[in-house]
This record gives sequence, structure tokens and C-alpha cells, in this order.
Amino acid sequence: EAGVTQFPSHSVIEKGQTVTLRCDPISGHDNLYWYRRVMGKEIKFLLHFVKESKQDESGMPNNRFLAERTGGTYSTLKVQPAELEDSGVYFCASSQDGRFTDTQYFGPGTRLTVL
Amino acid sequence: AQSVTQLGSHVSVSEGALVLLRCNYSSSVPPYLFWYVQYPNQGLQLLLKYTSAATLVKGINGFEAEFKKSETSFHLTKPSAHMSDAAEYFCAVRLFYNQGGKLIFGQGTELSVKP
Repeated sequence: EAGVTQFPSHSVIEKGQTVTLRCDPISGHDNLYWYRRVMGKEIKFLLHFVKESKQDESGMPNNRFLAERTGGTYSTLKVQPAELEDSGVYFCASSQDGRFTDTQYFGPGTRLTVL
Repeated sequence: AQSVTQLGSHVSVSEGALVLLRCNYSSSVPPYLFWYVQYPNQGLQLLLKYTSAATLVKGINGFEAEFKKSETSFHLTKPSAHMSDAAEYFCAVRLFYNQGGKLIFGQGTELSVKP
């Protein structure tokens, strides 16, 4: 069974440009999470989808970030316009039923560099 | 606010020596606790999790962790380090009332294993 996949693995863009990150969760997993790790800091939660609905978006830093999960399958995270402080590694995770004992399976991450 | 503290951003041990990675949490309610490992160029992989059953939890690759409520700790140990254990380790907490069960991570501890 395929794990969580993320595309691209790396992205280098200039300040003011737009970038879209994609996450494909494990098939059948209704819960999809986005996290981010800024260099030298801890991994921080961004938002959580249950199927196509946003369950919790309390970690989204500002309105330059837009997450979607059309059809409840893959998800995209768009940053527009990108700022220097957006650089970091963006992780996606999925879980089957969202119970508190449920395991979140992580993808390899997308390393975003904003110049 | 809930938080997780990992003591030591970098730990170095000799091959065959005991591995001890420290994790303390702050929470007014019993948490669920997780240890994840990230090998180079890979996603986070679950090592083990505490979900209020046995306080001593055994995980993959010979790792185990003990939940100590009185010390608010969940330290990760392995009796004998292997070169393949070199990676970054993350402690995380999830509170039962967290909507959607987002994970709150510590800062991470990078483990080096010397021959």
C-alpha cells in the first residue's frame, strides 16, 4: 500500500511568487493534516481536513495560505504571495478515522525556500 | 497552553551504548503521547505511542518509552544503539479534547551514533 506522497519534494521561489504544494493521503484515509517546520523550530500544526471539510484551521498563519481538498482525496496548499518567513518544510499526514489513538502517517515533506 | 519539551537538540552516543532521549509535557489533563523518528530524506515514522493503557510502551526497532505522570515525562530509551538509529526524533502530544486531534511537537532531538 502506498504511503502519503507529497509533491514537489523541493521548491525554490522568489518572494512574491505563488507556490502550490500537493499531498496525496493514504487511500481511504478521511483525515488529512498539514504541518510546517520552520528551520530551527518545532513542527507546527496548520490545519486538518475531514474528507473535504476543514475541521480545524487554527494553525494557518495568515490569509496568504489557502488549503483545499476537493472531493476529499488529495489536498493542495497554496501560498500567495510567498514571503521569506514561509520557508520551511511542509509535511502532510493522514489518518483513517481521526480517533485520538489513531496514528497519523506522514509524508516526506516539501522543502520550500523563498528567496 | 499545552507544550512539549525535548531536552537536548543533539545527543551523541557510541554504538552499543544506551540511548536516552528526554521528553516532558505540560498538560492539565492526561495526554496521548507519541514518538516519531525521521531518517534523512524520509517522512516521520511512528516509533511508539502511549494511549493510557500500559505505562511502559514498546515500539519498533527495540525502542521503548515509559509514561510517568508524576514527572510529566515520556522518555525514549534503547538499551544498545546501532549506527542505523542515527536520525531525528520527535516527541508529540495529543489532548483528548483537541478538536480533530492535532499533534503538538517538541523541538526534536538529533541522535548521532559513533562507531
